[in-house]
Amino acid sequence: DIVLTQSPGTLSLSPGERATLSCRPSQSVTSRYLAWYQQIPGQAPKLLIYGASTRATGIPDRFSGSGSGTDFTLTINRLEPEDFAVYYCQHYHLSRYTFGQGTKLEIK
Amino acid sequence: EVQLVESGGGLVQPGRSLRLSCAASGFTFDDFAMHWVRQAPGKGLEWVSGISWNSLNIDYADSVKGRFTISRDNAKNSLYLQLNSLRPEDTALYYCAKNFGYQLDSWGQGTLVTVSS
Repeated sequence: DIVLTQSPGTLSLSPGERATLSCRPSQSVTSRYLAWYQQIPGQAPKLLIYGASTRATGIPDRFSGSGSGTDFTLTINRLEPEDFAVYYCQHYHLSRYTFGQGTKLEIK
Repeated sequence: EVQLVESGGGLVQPGRSLRLSCAASGFTFDDFAMHWVRQAPGKGLEWVSGISWNSLNIDYADSVKGRFTISRDNAKNSLYLQLNSLRPEDTALYYCAKNFGYQLDSWGQGTLVTVSS
C-alpha cells in the first residue's frame, strides 16, 4: 500500500506569509490521483486541490498545488486568518482512498 | 447545493452493532459513488468504505472488512453503513462523502460513534 508522508507536522507562520506543505508518497503516483483537503477545527474536510494542481470550485487562487511522482506541494500565498487549519493530502488507488497524516498550519 | 446529513451514531458497548445513515440532497444521487471516512478523536482521516453508483463495486479498508457493510438506496437518496462487532478503536466521527473523479468533493458534518463499556 502507498503511504503518504506529510511534512512538516506543524507549520507556524504569520498572516501574509507564504506556506509550503509537502506530501511524499512512498512510491511514484499519478498526479491525477493526488488531492489536498483543508480541515478547520470542528468542521468537515473541504476539497481544495485535485489532480495535484486543479483548484476545486470556489477555492481562492492563493492556493496552488504542484508536483509529480513522489513529491507534491501545496502552496498558500498571502496567508489569511481563515487559512490556519489542518491540511491533508490524499491518493486514490483501485477505488480506495489513502490520506496523509496531516500538516497543522498554526498562527505564529 | 449538495447536502449530506449523517445520523445513527451514539454510545455502544464493544461487540455490539450500529447502523449509520446518510441522507443526500442537491445532486443526482445515483450518478455518484459514495464513501464513508472516519476520524478518531484528535487524529487524521481514514477511508472506511466505498460503493459505486449501482452498488456493484464495494470495497472496505482492511481494518473493517468482515465487520462493516456499506449499502445504498438510490430511491431514497440514502447511504448506509452497518457496523458490527464494534471495537473501542472504531470510536470516531464518521463522515459520508460524495465521490468526484478521484477525490471527495462534498462531505457531511459527521456522526459520532463511541465504543465503550
